[in-house]
Amino acid sequence: NAGVTQTPKFRVLKTGQSMTLLCAQDMNHEYMYWYRQDPGMGLRLIHYSVGEGTTAKGEVPDGYNVSRLKKQNFLLGLESAAPSQTSVYFCASSSIPDVSGELFFGEGSRLTVL
Amino acid sequence: GQNIDQPTEMTATEGAIVQINCTYQTSGFNGLFWYQQHAGEAPTFLSYNVLDGLEEKGRFSSFLSRSKGYSYLLLKELQMKDSASYLCAVMDSNYQLIWGAGTKLIIKP
Repeated sequence: NAGVTQTPKFRVLKTGQSMTLLCAQDMNHEYMYWYRQDPGMGLRLIHYSVGEGTTAKGEVPDGYNVSRLKKQNFLLGLESAAPSQTSVYFCASSSIPDVSGELFFGEGSRLTVL
Repeated sequence: GQNIDQPTEMTATEGAIVQINCTYQTSGFNGLFWYQQHAGEAPTFLSYNVLDGLEEKGRFSSFLSRSKGYSYLLLKELQMKDSASYLCAVMDSNYQLIWGAGTKLIIKP
């Protein structure tokens, strides 16, 4: 089973460029999440989705947009990249989280903004 | 505010036992998770506690005291492959996960 797949794995951008990170899951999970992970800090939630067609802001949503047009896919967009967005981005999915909703993570996408 | 505290780094010897502590202050509580993350890889689920007490799973055990806002992860018979970061996360009243910064565990031969 593929589980959660993220593309691309690595990307270098110049300030002001745009890009989209794609997350796909094959576990029929309702919930999907985008996190960023920076050195010395815990995972921070950017946006999340509780089902197809829904999105919601997390802890650090500024500068990012998301879409969930299909249940299995969750896209994270950067419209105008900034150096502060250099980070490792993780997508995760879970079943309804009210009962030990274990998260399944993708392998991560390393983004560098110059 | 919401806060999760865990030590930044710990060192232990192969074959020994190590305890990684986590204290938390959150808006409500719907469970505490431990995840393992090897360098350059994704976090993977280790354990979930929602009631007070000890949950044992092979070489790994996790303990929770809700009244003290405290948990620990106990790793026995340490192996070199246990070198990783261990992330503590609490699910708050809105079922959102609040993450600690992680504890980097270094295992020496």
